[in-house]
Amino acid sequence: KAGVTQTPRYLIKTRGQQVTLSCSPISGHRSVSWYQQTPGQGLQFLFEYFSETQRNKGNFPGRFSGRQFSNSRSEMNVSTLELGDSALYLCASSLATGEKLFFGSGTQLSVL
Amino acid sequence: SQQGEEDPQALSIQEGENATMNCSYKTSINNLQWYRQNSGRGLVHLILIRSNEREKHSGRLRVTLDTSKKSSSLLITASRAADTASYFCATVPDSNYQLIWGAGTKLIIKP
Repeated sequence: KAGVTQTPRYLIKTRGQQVTLSCSPISGHRSVSWYQQTPGQGLQFLFEYFSETQRNKGNFPGRFSGRQFSNSRSEMNVSTLELGDSALYLCASSLATGEKLFFGSGTQLSVL
Repeated sequence: SQQGEEDPQALSIQEGENATMNCSYKTSINNLQWYRQNSGRGLVHLILIRSNEREKHSGRLRVTLDTSKKSSSLLITASRAADTASYFCATVPDSNYQLIWGAGTKLIIKP
């Protein structure tokens, strides 16, 4: 069974641009969660989607948004990028909320 | 807010020694999970222990849970260089089942 796939692996953008990150969960997993990880702030929860519905949302500004498609694939979008958005963005899938998470390798976003 | 708090923040030991990391939390939980992260990569799930369990083993890993003290420990026995990584605990509150992460323990195994 294929693992969680995140694309792209690396991304360089400039301030003010927008970016879309993609995540393909493990087959059969309906829950997809997104995290932001920075050296200073650790692992911060962005949002969770389950069967195309946003189930939980972290404390991030509205510039951060996401969606989930009927095949459980998910995307997250960050608009009007700021320098502080530079981070490793991790996607994880699971069978259900609160259960074992399977993580992708992440997308390393650098904002210049 | 971060509920799980790992202790210590960093740990450096000799290969072959045992490593113990602790996690404390504040609210009633459904389960507690431990993950490992190698530098710059995604996290890997190690063990999930439910609130009605006291101890779980997986290979060289042993996890204990004390719900009365709201704490858990992860023991890695006979450490190897490949165990060098950051270790995170994540608690799942009874209230909303959303994982809450600690800041992690950075473990360095010296050859």
